Amino acid sequence: EADIYQTPRYLVIGTGKKITLECSQTMGHDKMYWYQQDPGMELHLIHYSYGVNSTEKGDLSSESTVSRIRTEHFPLTLESARPSHTSQYLCASSGSPDGYTFGSGTRLTVV
Amino acid sequence: GEDVEQSLFLSVREGDSSVINCTYTDSSSTYLYWYKQEPGAGLQLLTYIFSNMDMKQDQRLTVLLNKKDKHLSLRIADTQTGDSAIYFCAESSFSSASKIIFGSGTRLSIRP
Repeated sequence: EADIYQTPRYLVIGTGKKITLECSQTMGHDKMYWYQQDPGMELHLIHYSYGVNSTEKGDLSSESTVSRIRTEHFPLTLESARPSHTSQYLCASSGSPDGYTFGSGTRLTVV
Repeated sequence: GEDVEQSLFLSVREGDSSVINCTYTDSSSTYLYWYKQEPGAGLQLLTYIFSNMDMKQDQRLTVLLNKKDKHLSLRIADTQTGDSAIYFCAESSFSSASKIIFGSGTRLSIRP
């Protein structure tokens, strides 16, 4: 059973809409991450957090924002979706050096 | 910044061994990882190796680390159709503030 949950799994939405992608983990991990994945496979880190009230931008500039009000919850918000935001978004968490646990991802399509 | 590189595609015949290669630049890497991503899914940690190890074996998977050449490989013995996936090499170190740096992924396809 997954310990990190992403909802929705698939989302098709019109241009200009506000969306929030949900990510929750039950492992008590302090570190959480959001990645954007190209159709060509490469992962790009867009946001990370090392604990409550701590958020940082990643290596790839993104118009999205994140918040970390509770340890288990790390939502990602797009205020005004555009077709260029169409991608797969992966959430991950880590409590130790032995790797990240990933959610199943949200595939976002903006039409 | 630190970099992890791997070839984009590998095609092997069912039953043969698959070897996926990876190179990295961070000489202070402490952990090296292999992740597997099946279609439409997130990444699954397959195995990892500490930088002071040369080899790790887990059933059909063998990881080899050449720290001098900064080269990591994943060998899958008796490759099956269920092994078709994208395999990501990754590393972390204190210099990357414990963030994991991922390669671009190798897409493994299996021929009958």
